[in-house]
This record gives sequence, C-alpha cells and structure tokens, in this order.
Amino acid sequence: GQNIDQPTEMTATEGAIVQINCTYQTSGFNGLFWYQQHAGEAPTFLSYNVLDGLEEKGRFSSFLSRSKGYSYLLLKELQMKDSASYLCAVRDLATNAGKSTFGDGTTLTVKP
Amino acid sequence: DAGVIQSPRHEVTEMGQEVTLRCKPISGHDYLFWYRQTMMRGLELLIYFNNNVPIDDSGMPEDRFSAKMPNASFSTLKIQPSEPRDSAVYFCASGTENTEAFFGQGTRLTVV
Repeated sequence: GQNIDQPTEMTATEGAIVQINCTYQTSGFNGLFWYQQHAGEAPTFLSYNVLDGLEEKGRFSSFLSRSKGYSYLLLKELQMKDSASYLCAVRDLATNAGKSTFGDGTTLTVKP
Repeated sequence: DAGVIQSPRHEVTEMGQEVTLRCKPISGHDYLFWYRQTMMRGLELLIYFNNNVPIDDSGMPEDRFSAKMPNASFSTLKIQPSEPRDSAVYFCASGTENTEAFFGQGTRLTVV
C-alpha cells in the first residue's frame, strides 16, 4: 500500500516563495506527480519526478529524494491565481500514471 | 483535442435511482480511470481500464457501483441504487504508459 502526507493548509504572501512538502511510504515507487486543482475544477498536471533532484518549470520547481521518501513543490513569485489545492501523487511500480495514490492535498491561500 | 469529456456536469437525483456517468477519453490514450473526490476522503481511484479491459476495481466501494468500457472512446460509471453518501465529484481521466493523467471536468453528483 501507499501512505502520502502533505500539510492541510498553507498561507503565503503575493510575490513570496512557498514550499509544499510531501512525504510518502510506498510498497513500490515509479514516480511522483504534483497536480494543481482550483476550487470547482479538475486537477491539472504540474510536474513529474522519477529520479532524485530538482525539476524546474518556470515559477514552479519540484524536488525528489527517493531514499527519504520526500518531495517538495516550490512556487516562486507567488500570484493570487496560485491560490489552489496542490496534490502530491505517487505512482506504483507496476502501473502507470493513472494508478497513482493521491495525498489529501495542500490548500494554498495567497494573500495580497 | 478537446480533452477528456464527461457528462453530465451536474446531476441531482433521488435516493434509490440509477445514475449513469459518461466519459470520452482523449483519442490515443489507452488507460482510463474513474476517480471520486470528497472533502472527507480526498481523491480516490475507483477503477481503471487498459485497452478497454478493467485492470483494477479494488477501489469500487460496493456492488452498487459498476463501470464499463465498450470501446476505446467511451466509458460509463453506473450507480444503482444511489444513496446520499454517494454524493461527490466523479472524475474521469485518461493517459498512456508514459504520460500523466489528464482529467475531465468532473460530474458533481448530489443524491437527495
């Protein structure tokens, strides 16, 4: 089975940097995804890590340490539109992206 | 491509009635997933298909739930009879072996 933990809520200020952590314990590991979900909308893909290290995509970066079962999503130059839920999802060894176990999500509120 | 298409977007039904949710995956995707999202339980995988064949239905809550995929471009999730505790947002997603999951806009189901 898989167990994924993320903070429930975070608050940050517009223009600042925020780091959202995700820890996991899994029976198998084949990649970690971050999704963004605005209220009332579907989750949308942000990033994917399968090897240790940092992946950067514009204002968003994601880091993975497989030995520690740890990932974080880093959001820079925060904008009001970044207020959303951020979901960490771990993919099982034998299956593909969809058979991912999702964390409960971190609700980020960006304040002026 | 229009993305994953789900219908209806909203459904309100009375307890005991049959509910059918529909999904059209992205053309070329050979994996299709049904998720349910609630505040209490987060995003849960109910069932997924590969090449129209159900692979894992361990997330289906009980026999009242059934899913079919008669061809590569269509899937249904049926609840019969529906109960108030089935109220949730149901997402369909599709993908391939090497991609993330692409989510539809979801069906918000309310059972009264």
